[in-house]
Amino acid sequence: SQELEQSPQSLIVQEGKNLTINCTSSKTLYGLYWYKQKYGEGLIFLMMLQKGGEEKSHEKITAKLDEKKQQSSLHITASQPSHAGIYLCGAPRGSQGNLIFGKGTKLSVKP
Amino acid sequence: DTAVSQTPKYLVTQMGNDKSIKCEQNLGHDTMYWYKQDSKKFLKIMFSYNNKELIINETVPNRFSPKSPDKAHLNLHINSLELGDSAVYFCASSQLTINEQFFGPGTRLTVL
Repeated sequence: SQELEQSPQSLIVQEGKNLTINCTSSKTLYGLYWYKQKYGEGLIFLMMLQKGGEEKSHEKITAKLDEKKQQSSLHITASQPSHAGIYLCGAPRGSQGNLIFGKGTKLSVKP
Repeated sequence: DTAVSQTPKYLVTQMGNDKSIKCEQNLGHDTMYWYKQDSKKFLKIMFSYNNKELIINETVPNRFSPKSPDKAHLNLHINSLELGDSAVYFCASSQLTINEQFFGPGTRLTVL
C-alpha cells in the first residue's frame, strides 16, 4: 500500500531562516496536497500539485513536485513565528478521494 | 460563514457510552469525509460519502457508523466507546473526489 514519508519529523529554526520539508511516496503520486495544522485547529489547505515538475507559491511558501512524481518539497523563505505548526502532505489513494497523509513535520520558529 | 463546522469541539465521556459528532458544510460540496487523528498526530481516513452514499469504509470497527441525512451533513455515531477511541476526529468535504479537501476544526474525544 502507498505510504508517505515526511522529513524531518520536527524542525526548529530561527526567525528569518529558510527551511525545507520533504514528502516522499512509495508509489507514483497522482496529486499531492500540503496542509498546515495549528494546535487545536483543523487543517488549512496550502497547495495542491498534480503535474511532474509543477511548482506553486503562495506568499513565502513554495511547493514542488518532482518530475517522477514521487517526491514533493515545501520551502519556506524567511520564516516567521506565524509559520509555526504541523505541516502535512497528503495524497489521494485511488479515485475515491480519500487522502493518505504523512505523519507530519512539526515546525517551531524562534523569534 | 464557517465552511466546515463540527460539534462539539470537545467531548469527554465514559467507556461504554454512545456518542455522536455532527458535521456540516456550506460549500455545496458533494463529498464528505471523516478522519481520525491519533495521539501521535497521524491522520487516517475512516469514511467518505459522495451524494449521501458511502464510498469508502476503511477498516474501522462497526461501532462507528456514519450517517448522512443530506449532502451538507455527515454525522458520526460511535457506540460502546472504548479508551482507544480517544482521538481528534476531523470532518472534511470536497467538490468531487479529485479536488482539495476542506477540513473542519476537529472534535477532541476523550474516553475515560
